Amino acid sequence: DAGVIQSPRHEVTEMGQEVTLRCKPISGHDYLFWYRQTMMRGLELLIYFNNNVPIDDSGMPEDRFSAKMPNASFSTLKIQPSEPRDSAVYFCASSKTGLRGAYEQYFGPGTRLTVT
Amino acid sequence: GQQVMQIPQYQHVQEGEDFTTYCNSSTTLSNIQWYKQRPGGHPVFLIQLVKSGEVKKQKRLTFQFGEAKKNSSLHITATQTTDVGTYFCAGPNSNDYKLSFGAGTTVTVRA
Repeated sequence: DAGVIQSPRHEVTEMGQEVTLRCKPISGHDYLFWYRQTMMRGLELLIYFNNNVPIDDSGMPEDRFSAKMPNASFSTLKIQPSEPRDSAVYFCASSKTGLRGAYEQYFGPGTRLTVT
Repeated sequence: GQQVMQIPQYQHVQEGEDFTTYCNSSTTLSNIQWYKQRPGGHPVFLIQLVKSGEVKKQKRLTFQFGEAKKNSSLHITATQTTDVGTYFCAGPNSNDYKLSFGAGTTVTVRA
């Protein structure tokens, strides 16, 4: 199993530009999560999907952020327009449904975003 | 909403020594999970505890879930340089599958 795949691994962009982060979850997992990690705020959940449907986007900071999951094997997180304060590491994670509640999450390697 | 607190935030350990990091939840948890993130890496699942008072061991790591299922601890014996990283505990919200992560304990080891 290849694990969760994210691309790009690093992204440097200028303020005002559109940024698209991509994620391929582990096959068979029906939950997908997008997190943002910074020194100041730690690991924050932005949004999560179940069976490709967004369940909770309360962590999405602003309307500049949007996420989609068009099918079970692909999700995107888009920032438009980007701002320097969006600089962070963005992780995608996936997990599967279980009888005993939340199963462990498998994280991708992350995308390190720098907005100048 | 549910909050998960971890202490200490930083742990500086002499190689060979033992230490413990603690996790406390504002609500009762159905389970508690622990993750480790190496510097520059991503969080990696270590273990899940489900039962009240449960204790699990992974080599030099001992995980415990409190009787009231509101707290947990991770104890590492004979710390090695490979233990460097940030250890997170996480608990699920009662009504859904999202996890509330603690702020983590960042461990550094002096050789």
